[in-house]
Amino acid sequence: DQQVKQNSPSLSVQEGRISILNCDYTNSMFDYFLWYKKYPAEGPTFLISISSIKDKNEDGRFTVFLNKSAKHLSLHIVPSQPGDSAVYFCAAREVGSGAGSYQLTFGKGTKLSVIP
Amino acid sequence: GAVVSQHPSWVICKSGTSVKIECRSLDFQATTMFWYRQFPKQSLMLMATSNEGSKATYEQGVEKDKFLINHASLTLSTLTVTSAHPEDSSFYICSAPGHHSNQPQHFGDGTRLSIL
Repeated sequence: DQQVKQNSPSLSVQEGRISILNCDYTNSMFDYFLWYKKYPAEGPTFLISISSIKDKNEDGRFTVFLNKSAKHLSLHIVPSQPGDSAVYFCAAREVGSGAGSYQLTFGKGTKLSVIP
Repeated sequence: GAVVSQHPSWVICKSGTSVKIECRSLDFQATTMFWYRQFPKQSLMLMATSNEGSKATYEQGVEKDKFLINHASLTLSTLTVTSAHPEDSSFYICSAPGHHSNQPQHFGDGTRLSIL
């Protein structure tokens, strides 16, 4: 049972336009959400995160929106650049203590292609 | 720069061989590290949580005797795939959590394991 879902396996966007990547989750105990970017044959690199007490977090061209009632979050990249082409993973952490509080559940990823 | 170093990046070996993958935290101590496995076009699946000074915690369905984890020091965790078979071919990634649970995990660059 996928607790974190990224329903779009791929997305193509023109350079300069906005990229919107979506993520849905089912576990109401998730309290912290992250987006990672991954290039082929490399490990994921952290992009941006948001706590469940917020509904928006912005960092430069990247903004993450969280809608708790809908159990939905999205990553907006604007303007999109060719270098943004990668696989983007949505991840969530369940509230808890000890090592378990660090564990992340990942979606399957969305491959973003930014066309020059 | 990278905060987690994973080695080797690529291994090709014969069926029946045991393969050791190292994961090191650079410039910080990690009492906990995570080992993931990723199949093509799939999500990162948590295999086990490595705990310094104690036994690793394995996720359901992961064979403890097949995937041996040792967390020998505060900066090193190793994953040994014992008697590897072609079905063990995959991309293995380790990560270490930040100092606080609200900090993101830092990932190594992964190890591509190909068993012939």
